[in-house]
Amino acid sequence: DIQMTQSPSTLSASVGDRVTITCRASQSISSWLAWYQQKPGKAPELLIYKASSLKSGVPSRFSGSGSGTDFTLTISSLQPHDFATYYCQQYNSYPYTFGQGTKLEIK
Amino acid sequence: QLQLQESGPGLVKPSETLSLTCTVSGGSISSSSYYWGWIRQPPGKGLEWIGSIFYSGSTYYNPSLKSRVTISVDTSKNEFSLKLSSVTAADTAVYYCARHGYPAPMDVWGKGTTVTVSS
Repeated sequence: DIQMTQSPSTLSASVGDRVTITCRASQSISSWLAWYQQKPGKAPELLIYKASSLKSGVPSRFSGSGSGTDFTLTISSLQPHDFATYYCQQYNSYPYTFGQGTKLEIK
Repeated sequence: QLQLQESGPGLVKPSETLSLTCTVSGGSISSSSYYWGWIRQPPGKGLEWIGSIFYSGSTYYNPSLKSRVTISVDTSKNEFSLKLSSVTAADTAVYYCARHGYPAPMDVWGKGTTVTVSS
């Protein structure tokens, strides 16, 4: 199985801050990486696919980069409704695997 | 607009079989472009992919659960199902169904259903 490791596990930030979350795969997954946002009691929502492609309707302050084993999710200017948990997921091969999540908290 | 809705018992006894159904509306489960999957999330923990199925019946399972999991599809009802046998408290989780392409991420999710394993 491909292991996905996210860091940090928790991130405290303020509205307007620029934040970056990293995700590392245990082996190359090319660009087959997605980022999801999950709010309490809700299903995850797809933000980014193929490492850097923004899903239609997702604000442009979200961006993704990377390929191979190292990836990042950046939020350029945090908005109040961005405080949530973020997961990366590889879909290069079965079994699909997720990172352990990064909880973005208000400082 | 495609929607997915999970249904099934919210309480299952240890050693019994968990059975859930995902009903697809606003689109056909028989699309050749998509797979249909199950993902779960234990309380306070991360996401775990359980398995996926194509409308033809081809299945892909997480090896960690493969011996206990069966996913099936009923194209006439536009739904697919999950069975997880010999459950324990560790199987207590919110269970989600979702759509994905290949290779593609889960782009449409159900709202999730909570299943508790307890006597």
